Amino acid sequence: SYELTQPLSVSVALGQTARITCGGNNIGSKNVHWYQQKPGQAPVLVIYRDSNRPSGIPERFSGSNSGNTATLTISRAQAGDEADYYCQVWDSSTARYVFGTGTKVTVL
Amino acid sequence: EVQLVESGGGLVQPGGSLRLSCAASGFTFSSYSMNWVRQAPGKGLEWVSYISSSSSTIYYADSVKGRFTISRDNAKNSLYLQMNSLRDEDTAVYYCARPHPTYGYGMDVWGQGTTVTVSS
Repeated sequence: SYELTQPLSVSVALGQTARITCGGNNIGSKNVHWYQQKPGQAPVLVIYRDSNRPSGIPERFSGSNSGNTATLTISRAQAGDEADYYCQVWDSSTARYVFGTGTKVTVL
Repeated sequence: EVQLVESGGGLVQPGGSLRLSCAASGFTFSSYSMNWVRQAPGKGLEWVSYISSSSSTIYYADSVKGRFTISRDNAKNSLYLQMNSLRDEDTAVYYCARPHPTYGYGMDVWGQGTTVTVSS
């Protein structure tokens, strides 16, 4: 089955840049979506189709996808960005949605 | 306002059954496919099941296949998840979520979740 691997945690200083990776076999050939989830809340879509932001999501959130790694970048990190982040793809070969393992972002 | 509201969660013994519901409002429910996604305590997100807008296409995660059944009633703007032969590892918050074609089928609307606890 298709697997997506993320680092368990990422720390970033206030105002600096955080990068969260999502590794998967030839993930560059798939559409990757990213979700932010704060404690006790439902996930929120922050990036869709690799690098696009839904309305209402700050420009500080950006994404890229190539080869075996997709990346979510949070620029000028704010305290409110502290959350768990998940990547997600649709694996057409198995007809399954797949979520990454999740990354906890801490803003120092 | 676009909204999804889950209900039906609760405490059930191993081997028991439960039926979750998800009420949709603020959008044309019959035009969208839908998903169930769950999250065990302290764990990550796990996709559970997908149903197309007309119910013609259904998919399940291997972990629930043969035990869970997804369905919908477009006349009632409602999505369901019938869960049978429940196991301890099915304990989780269950979310319904809408994949949106504009967003490459990323899930742009989520409910607040309903908690299922499987325990004796």
